[in-house]
Amino acid sequence: DTGVSQDPRHKITKRGQNVTFRCDPISEHNRLYWYRQTLGQGPEFLTYFQNEAQLEKSRLLSDRFSAERPKGSFSTLEIQRTEQGDSAMYLCASSLGVYNEQFFGPGTRLTVL
Amino acid sequence: GNSVTQMEGPVTLSEEAFLTINCTYTATGYPSLFWYVQYPGEGLQLLLKATKADDKGSNKGFEATYRKETTSFHLEKGSVQVSDSAVYFCAPLNTGNQFYFGTGTSLTVIP
Repeated sequence: DTGVSQDPRHKITKRGQNVTFRCDPISEHNRLYWYRQTLGQGPEFLTYFQNEAQLEKSRLLSDRFSAERPKGSFSTLEIQRTEQGDSAMYLCASSLGVYNEQFFGPGTRLTVL
Repeated sequence: GNSVTQMEGPVTLSEEAFLTINCTYTATGYPSLFWYVQYPGEGLQLLLKATKADDKGSNKGFEATYRKETTSFHLEKGSVQVSDSAVYFCAPLNTGNQFYFGTGTSLTVIP
């Protein structure tokens, strides 16, 4: 297994457009997490899944954001009507069980013009 | 609430110097404590962790001890190398299984 992968690695979009990112976790990992990281800051938790169930969402996740993990494997994060403030690196991580190391993907860098 | 205060950078050291990066946290309950590292152009990687009070995590010559009484998890290395140049993040993992990352400390080691 090559680790957590994310696609695309970079996305440039115009304000008001919708974007979707994909994350493929390590295959046996049942937990999947999304974070957002802005320049000079640490990652901020957005949401996480245990298998296909979305168990928690941060207040950072406005109603323009939606995440899915339909079959308990890959996950998508969609941002509708993007705003310039959405420009950030979106990180995905996965883990096996609770309180275990989270393995991070390389991230998707979003730029909203 | 949960928060992390991490030593601000950037930090520049000469090779073989001693490194300390301070980290203190506030949390409900008793979190597990992690240090993650991000090398240039790469994703976050686990460096070390400690899951209970007085535990010492260690890896690649780095160490950190879980100090419950001072709510701290300072990162240390006795002799840094150029290859240690990276951004270091302190991250408590709370009982809700959420990481709270610090702002990161950028380290540059010069030969």
